[in-house]
Amino acid sequence: AQSVSQHNHHVILSEAASLELGCNYSYGGTVNLFWYVQYPGQHLQLLLKYFSGDPLVKGIKGFEAEFIKSKFSFNLRKPSVQWSDTAEYFCATSPGYSSASKIIFGSGTRLSIRP
Amino acid sequence: DGGITQSPKYLFRKEGQNVTLSCEQNLNHDAMYWYRQDPGQGLRLIYYSQIVNDFQKGDIAEGYSVSREKKESFPLTVTSAQKNPTAFYLCASSRGGDSYNEQFFGPGTRLTVL
Repeated sequence: AQSVSQHNHHVILSEAASLELGCNYSYGGTVNLFWYVQYPGQHLQLLLKYFSGDPLVKGIKGFEAEFIKSKFSFNLRKPSVQWSDTAEYFCATSPGYSSASKIIFGSGTRLSIRP
Repeated sequence: DGGITQSPKYLFRKEGQNVTLSCEQNLNHDAMYWYRQDPGQGLRLIYYSQIVNDFQKGDIAEGYSVSREKKESFPLTVTSAQKNPTAFYLCASSRGGDSYNEQFFGPGTRLTVL
């Protein structure tokens, strides 16, 4: 069965620090991968997604993620964080090229940025 | 202004009562979903529907029921059989049932059982 692991439950950084949030998935076939973000008091929204092509994906607000198939990973990165990046981040996966629309979410990583 | 609306924002229920959470979308999306969000557990899928008049159980369907009589609407009923119903409930929709489609989320309903 598919699953997603986010090993960091709470990350605390200072402004301008670099960010990397880990995400590993377990599924042997082709996958689609997503990062969603939930800012305080706001809707969950898509940051970026990968389903084919270039494994380095760029999203909104300066975020990027790299799909490394050999490591079953899709880590989220940002070179310099801002206070406004304080939010909860969810990695998610679904089977690729499938008509089934189930997405499996990780448990989330809470990111706190010190001003 | 397209989007997903959920009502009410906060809901209180006495033990033993059924309660229905509303979810409406005007995005013309075929697929709709219900998730439950608990601290430290991420989002868990309750039910999903890829087309009108059809729906499937997700990972934690026990104690919940849904209907999909209209494309725009996907109400969730939390029944008295749900052992631990206090949670934050999120509704989502996507353009189609294909697995690479982005899901769009509503603002959520926080249900508290007293």
